[in-house]
Amino acid sequence: DVKVTQSSRYLVKRTGEKVFLECVQDMDHENMFWYRQDPGLGLRLIYFSYDVKMKEKGDIPEGYSVSREKKERFSLILESASTNQTSMYLCASSSLFAGDSPRRVYEQYFGPGTRLTVT
Amino acid sequence: AQKVTQAQTEISVVEKEDVTLDCVYETRDTTYYLFWYKQPPSGELVFLIRRNSFDEQNEISGRYSWNFQKSTSSFNFTITASQVVDSAVYFCALSARILGTYKYIFGTGTRLKVLA
Repeated sequence: DVKVTQSSRYLVKRTGEKVFLECVQDMDHENMFWYRQDPGLGLRLIYFSYDVKMKEKGDIPEGYSVSREKKERFSLILESASTNQTSMYLCASSSLFAGDSPRRVYEQYFGPGTRLTVT
Repeated sequence: AQKVTQAQTEISVVEKEDVTLDCVYETRDTTYYLFWYKQPPSGELVFLIRRNSFDEQNEISGRYSWNFQKSTSSFNFTITASQVVDSAVYFCALSARILGTYKYIFGTGTRLKVLA
């Protein structure tokens, strides 16, 4: 059974704190993603990684950074948490894209989410 | 531009009714992929189906069916004889090439409430 786990389901942090959200997948997937989910806005991509030590900015990277030192682990870092970063954070993974192959874009598998509150 | 529109924010039905969730997408790519995910109250998105742009065949899986129509850029999802356990937020997503790599674009979701 495929599995994506996130370090915490609920987290409460103070403004200005450094926050680490951890995500681990056991499917040997190349791609990993961090999203935030807010009411009425759907899922918005923060960062993604298609290989170890590789990362690309998504649609809303400001205020976030990521780290991928091992294939199975993708960390999201809030360098100085702010109240507007209160949200649900979702991690996902998927198999490799093959840029020119029309048959190799796969579905994503998601973790349970971390609901972060910054006060 | 790549975009997914789920115009229905929330739908309420009574158990055993059929319900269709609409999804309209925009892309200029000829090769793209469409997905549906279910997010139950527990929060974890669950993959339901993947479709590529070359395959317009409709699909049925138990009470679930999907209608893919390229002519109207739609990928609608129908639940037949709905059950309370179908209550969830449903997301439609598109994967198409953006600046050389495939990315996933999600709609804003449709909250389905099935009342007993």
